[in-house]
Amino acid sequence: DAGVTQSPTHLIKTRGQQVTLRCSPKSGHDTVSWYQQALGQGPQFIFQYYEEEERQRGNFPDRFSGHQFPNYSSELNVNALLLGDSALYLCASQASTRVGYEQYFGPGTRLTVT
Amino acid sequence: ELKVEQNPLFLSMQEGKNYTIYCNYSTTSDRLYWYRQDPGKSLESLFVLLSNGAVKQEGRLMASLDTKARLSTLHITAAVHDLSATYFCAVRYPGTYKYIFGTGTRLKVLA
Repeated sequence: DAGVTQSPTHLIKTRGQQVTLRCSPKSGHDTVSWYQQALGQGPQFIFQYYEEEERQRGNFPDRFSGHQFPNYSSELNVNALLLGDSALYLCASQASTRVGYEQYFGPGTRLTVT
Repeated sequence: ELKVEQNPLFLSMQEGKNYTIYCNYSTTSDRLYWYRQDPGKSLESLFVLLSNGAVKQEGRLMASLDTKARLSTLHITAAVHDLSATYFCAVRYPGTYKYIFGTGTRLKVLA
């Protein structure tokens, strides 16, 4: 059973560019959340997708947007990249029907903005 | 605003010793999670605690939850080097699908 997968593993972009990160949830999971983890910090919640809709958003600007597809996979898009967007971006999936809503994290995409 | 604080932030301990990591949160929540993160890696789920008084154990790690005190503890028994990692607690913001992570505790177990 494949766990949560993310692509790409690493990415280098220039300020002002746009980036798209991808996530495939664990089999049987229908909910996907995205987190930003700066070096030495805890993950910060960006947003959560369920039934192809953004149903919860954290304190991130509109430059951060996402999408969920009918197969539950998800994309995170960041426009007008800033140096401060450099971080590890984590995708987490969970099954809405399971008590506890335990999240399983993917390996992450390390984004470097120069 | 929900805040989640962990202490200590850094912990260096000898193999074979016991220690406890504390996680305090500022607003009532119905679920608390503990994760482990190795350097440069993703987060591994350790425990899910859903009710007051919940206690879960896995190997040398035991987690407990006191919802009245808004406190969770992660107790390490007879530490071994393989437990060296950063440990995070996370709390669901009440009434939402938003999860707030603590600051993390970086644990180093010395041989």
